Amino acid sequence: SAVISQKPSRDICQRGTSLTIQCQVDSQVTMMFWYRQQPGQSLTLIATANQGSEATYESGFVIDKFPISRPNLTFSTLTVSNMSPEDSSIYLCSAIRETEAFFGQGTRLTVV
Amino acid sequence: GENVEQHPSTLSVQEGDSAVIKCTYSDSASNYFPWYKQELGKRPQLIIDIRSNVGEKKDQRIAVTLNKTAKHFSLHITETQPEDSAVYFCAASINNNNDMRFGAGTRLTVKP
Repeated sequence: SAVISQKPSRDICQRGTSLTIQCQVDSQVTMMFWYRQQPGQSLTLIATANQGSEATYESGFVIDKFPISRPNLTFSTLTVSNMSPEDSSIYLCSAIRETEAFFGQGTRLTVV
Repeated sequence: GENVEQHPSTLSVQEGDSAVIKCTYSDSASNYFPWYKQELGKRPQLIIDIRSNVGEKKDQRIAVTLNKTAKHFSLHITETQPEDSAVYFCAASINNNNDMRFGAGTRLTVKP
């Protein structure tokens, strides 16, 4: 099984600021995924992070608001920019290896 | 692209009863259907999966069935226990394709 380390686990941020979330996978994976989830609710895919190319964003999400980096096959970051209280949520990264999806432990973000 | 629908969104059963969660998918090319369990405050984890070359798979108290013609698959939990209480997600993907799409989730509550 793959192990994904995600940090920070939680943060409280002021509106208007930005937060960068990091995910480290213990093995190389082709694509990594970033999700947003309200506690106990559905997983909403934000974007797919490809190594060596720009991330692919889902409808309703844009690069200016959620810039993503993917410098190598084991690491990715998601930045939540110019935050507002509506961005308060849990953010999860994920990677697929041999068809199984593995998730980071999540980042609980509160914007005040 | 693939669209996965999941029902019901919430399910409450008495301990010892069975629980059934159903999902439909839209892309007939999908051939891999995993189920994930997410306990409160934790990351989603794979509990069982099924590939399109079989119609049913069982692992102790949980089983999955797949109807390729109708493009739907189901999770069955028998003899439910309070520790089965969690949010369950179905998903669909095409083998060797990293595009895995999740259903909206089902919050299962098992009452003691």
